[in-house]
Amino acid sequence: GAGVSQTPSNKVTEKGKYVELRCDPISGHTALYWYRQSLGQGPEFLIYFQGTGAADDSGLPNDRFFAVRPEGSVSTLKIQRTERGDSAVYLCASSFNSANEQFFGPGTRLTVL
Amino acid sequence: EDQVTQSPEALRLQEGESSSLNCSYTVSGLRGLFWYRQDPGKGPEFLFTLYSAGEEKEKERLKATLTKKESFLHITAPKPEDSATYLCAVYSGGSNYKLTFGKGTLLTVNP
Repeated sequence: GAGVSQTPSNKVTEKGKYVELRCDPISGHTALYWYRQSLGQGPEFLIYFQGTGAADDSGLPNDRFFAVRPEGSVSTLKIQRTERGDSAVYLCASSFNSANEQFFGPGTRLTVL
Repeated sequence: EDQVTQSPEALRLQEGESSSLNCSYTVSGLRGLFWYRQDPGKGPEFLFTLYSAGEEKEKERLKATLTKKESFLHITAPKPEDSATYLCAVYSGGSNYKLTFGKGTLLTVNP
């Protein structure tokens, strides 16, 4: 079956611009997570959705970051006024329910020039 | 705060040379320990979940074990295609179900 998909695979933007990153979870998975991975580091938690609601956004670094999941499936991570420090790989994961193993997408590599 | 430390940072093996990767963790109460494999430019690929001390799981040349303070990923007779970064993560039961990851071990298996 289809795994988690993320688009775009690569995004290059200029400092100060707005970007949107999309995640399509595995069909039927109710839990969705966003992580950020910097070079040489493990993924770091950003936000968790159960269904349509953001159940926990405590990992978002500041208010320039926002994520939505309006219909309980596809999610979009939105970053306003991008900064060079936002450059990283943004990973999306989904699980059948919150307590199960999480399956990751291929990630979006964001580069802020 | 949950902490995960993986060692070594990098490991180079000859094909067929067995070894182990270590994952030490500090959590308030372990609810699950996860091993993932990550190839360059790709997302982590799920390997195993361990829930309680003494538990073991196997898949092909990999075997994961768990104690109260650490987990080991044993690699028996590795092949070049086993080369990847291996990530360990813990879940301690928080309501956000987040995983806390270590930095990973970069494994290179030479033919």
